[in-house]
Amino acid sequence: EMVMTQSPGTLSVSPGERATLSCRASQSVGSNLAWFQQKPGQAPRLLIYGASSRATGIPARFSGSGSGTEFTLTISSLQSEDFAVYYCQQYNNWPQTFGQGTKVEIK
Amino acid sequence: EVQLVQSGVELRKPGESLKISCKGSGYRFNLYWIVWVRQMPGKGPEWMGVIYPGDSDTRYSPSFQGQVTFSADKSISTVYLQWASLRASDSALYYCARLQGVSIRGYMDVWGNGTAVAVSS
Repeated sequence: EMVMTQSPGTLSVSPGERATLSCRASQSVGSNLAWFQQKPGQAPRLLIYGASSRATGIPARFSGSGSGTEFTLTISSLQSEDFAVYYCQQYNNWPQTFGQGTKVEIK
Repeated sequence: EVQLVQSGVELRKPGESLKISCKGSGYRFNLYWIVWVRQMPGKGPEWMGVIYPGDSDTRYSPSFQGQVTFSADKSISTVYLQWASLRASDSALYYCARLQGVSIRGYMDVWGNGTAVAVSS
């Protein structure tokens, strides 16, 4: 089973600052990588698919990059509603697997 | 609007059976794989497997093979997740999600609201 490793575990950021989240796959997943945002009491929400394509309705401040085994989610200017847990997930190999999550908290 | 609506909170005792549901609307339900995802308290999501409502083709993640059963009733745009004999370790939040893309190598673009399952004596 493919292992997805996210770093850091927690990221403390001030509103308006940039946040950079990392995700590493134990083997290549090509561009078959998605990012999700999850807030307490809510289902995960798709932000990015295909490593860099924004899902419908996702603000332009969210961007994804990378391919193969190294991926990045960047939030260019954090808004109050962006403080949440973020998960990367690969859908290249069976079974699909998630990272353990990065919590973005207010500094 | 594309939606997946799941059944409500379930409280059960160990050894009991359970079947929870996920109903789709706003799209051609039979043409998209549906994923089941488990999220244990304070943990990240875990991919359980998929079912294709059009013909009930089912694939289970190795970690969940033999532990749960997926089924579908395409006439009412609903898929199900069931347990024959619950354990306390099955206590979690369960989500269904639509798989977008080519066959089972797709990404989850629409999620249900989740069903909380609590198993305790």
